[in-house]
Amino acid sequence: AQSVTQLGSHVSVSEGALVLLRCNYSSSVPPYLFWYVQYPNQGLQLLLKYTSAATLVKGINGFEAEFKKSETSFHLTKPSAHMSDAAEYFCAVSAPNYGGATNKLIFGTGTLLAVQP
Amino acid sequence: NAGVTQTPKFRVLKTGQSMTLLCAQDMNHEYMYWYRQDPGMGLRLIHYSVGEGTTAKGEVPDGYNVSRLKKQNFLLGLESAAPSQTSVYFCASSYSLGTIIYEQYFGPGTRLTVT
Repeated sequence: AQSVTQLGSHVSVSEGALVLLRCNYSSSVPPYLFWYVQYPNQGLQLLLKYTSAATLVKGINGFEAEFKKSETSFHLTKPSAHMSDAAEYFCAVSAPNYGGATNKLIFGTGTLLAVQP
Repeated sequence: NAGVTQTPKFRVLKTGQSMTLLCAQDMNHEYMYWYRQDPGMGLRLIHYSVGEGTTAKGEVPDGYNVSRLKKQNFLLGLESAAPSQTSVYFCASSYSLGTIIYEQYFGPGTRLTVT
């Protein structure tokens, strides 16, 4: 079984500051990990995904995440926050089930990022 | 290419009424999903489908039914709406190939209020 924990339901940073959103996962098999972003009143949009290739994954809008197996973490970072980054961010985990993959995702509870001018 | 679309965008129901939410995708994806999103709880899977004519229960299936009669459509039904079903509902779809996990593509959501 898989699970995801996002530390910090609300994170506030100043424009230009480093963004760090934390995600820890639990999985009995090698996981696939995803970060999604949700802007107000919109659906979820994929930021980046880890699929067991490179441990440092680059995504859209300057975001990246590093898979650390020893820490069971997949934290999302961006060197310099923009006002347009204000949104809710969700970490999700998935893994193949016996007999195939259903692509089911287990989502964290989300982190709302506020960017102060 | 519209991706994943959902109708309606908003709906208000009275307790006990029924309704159907429609999800359509034009990406020829095999897998489709229905989630509900509630504050502080992330997204929770209601039902999903791994192909036309097949459906399966997710994490919170009670009070909902689904059908996948056509590959491109996935319907979510509420037979007798309850205030606890007030939520934002998202549909998603994904590609499939063996044991490889692919990302899900999400629709814009349906905001449902049950009074």
